[in-house]
Amino acid sequence: DAKTTQPPSMDCAEGRAANLPCNHSTISGNEYVYWYRQIHSQGPQYIIHGLKNNETNEMASLIITEDRKSSTLILPHATLRDTAVYYCIVRVGNQFYFGTGTSLTVIP
Amino acid sequence: ETGVTQSPTHLIKTRGQQVTLRCSSQSGHNTVSWYQQALGQGPQFIFQYYREEENGRGNFPPRFSGLQFPNYSSELNVNALELDDSALYLCASTTGGGRGLETQYFGPGTRLLVL
Repeated sequence: DAKTTQPPSMDCAEGRAANLPCNHSTISGNEYVYWYRQIHSQGPQYIIHGLKNNETNEMASLIITEDRKSSTLILPHATLRDTAVYYCIVRVGNQFYFGTGTSLTVIP
Repeated sequence: ETGVTQSPTHLIKTRGQQVTLRCSSQSGHNTVSWYQQALGQGPQFIFQYYREEENGRGNFPPRFSGLQFPNYSSELNVNALELDDSALYLCASTTGGGRGLETQYFGPGTRLLVL
């Protein structure tokens, strides 16, 4: 039962902002949205998480719509090392529900 | 580097065999979750261990079982291996039974191939 929907792939020019969308229309009020990325089938790497407010850290920004049915991960200045599969995740209690992810390719 | 280690890195088994995968959690973390990631798919939650007890389980059959030890390291055991069990197995560690805001830190995974 997929809780998130993401586009399968996206391209972004190096140095530009990468905006990765995610739909989570069935999310409940106390369920967090997490973003992880995975490079070359290594273990997923934590990026950011949020509940209803926008969040920013040293890696990225997370914009969550007011109705919480969708969110956008923003990498402000994409580099070649940001090429990875990005997963939008809904956390329900102690379980992370991964979608199929977006494969982001950063182009020189 | 997350401080979460897994062994072995790769493993080949034949159908019907049994396998044990191991995970050492990050220092200070008492909660370990296991995930199965089939090729081209996102990770799927298998189960979580907190203070040596199973603390939640995903939609996996009983032939997937686990253990957590007093030092918080963990094992995933799979009996009667099937071809569809071929996947990357990931463990992730955190604190507090995974119900707080602490994030999960993933290990590099064990790639299992069942022939």
